Amino acid sequence: GAGVSQTPSNKVTEKGKYVELRCDPISGHTALYWYRQSLGQGPEFLIYFQGTGAADDSGLPNDRFFAVRPEGSVSTLKIQRTERGDSAVYLCASSLGQGTYNEQFFGPGTRLTVL
Amino acid sequence: KQEVTQIPAALSVPEGENLVLNCSFTDSAIYNLQWFRQDPGKGLTSLLLIQSSQREQTSGRLNASLDKSSGRSTLYIAASQPGDSATYLCSQTGTASKLTFGTGTRLQVTL
Repeated sequence: GAGVSQTPSNKVTEKGKYVELRCDPISGHTALYWYRQSLGQGPEFLIYFQGTGAADDSGLPNDRFFAVRPEGSVSTLKIQRTERGDSAVYLCASSLGQGTYNEQFFGPGTRLTVL
Repeated sequence: KQEVTQIPAALSVPEGENLVLNCSFTDSAIYNLQWFRQDPGKGLTSLLLIQSSQREQTSGRLNASLDKSSGRSTLYIAASQPGDSATYLCSQTGTASKLTFGTGTRLQVTL
């Protein structure tokens, strides 16, 4: 595809439920990032993949959050036992390769609302 | 801990004015400084990326500068237009490849 895509665009769930958010990076991009943006704030880093492995997961807030990228392309962010405080826009980005000089390209985000 | 601060938080200008958005960062070990635009309910669109060895980048009516010694970057928008209305986010890339963002400047350009 032409850019990073994320599905669903909107997700409404009830407190305590499990949700999965999907990210399709730009074809050929080996690095993939997840960020979370709360209302009125800038995005905050969650996790970074280089290929299939999580190179840095220091931003995951607690063990209810988990992300995978089994084939080094599509990634899924999984949230267990959702809480109202998890409501935010979840953004995915990809870049051409490993390294801090590579520009990150963002998807449109998934807006998660936990009732 | 890396911190990025953006001033002002909000700005309203009449069409045609030139304007400057400010960004300051605390991590001197900066790799990239990247400016993004975000429209309401949308994702981030990259505007300009300045590598640490560079001092500025230009694209059309936009010019971004980087001063590592003072920990500052500015985004200059010339001849502003109503279509420039959006939130502008500044981010730095540190040693861990992840971006640290400021809280943004919400710009409104009025007719």
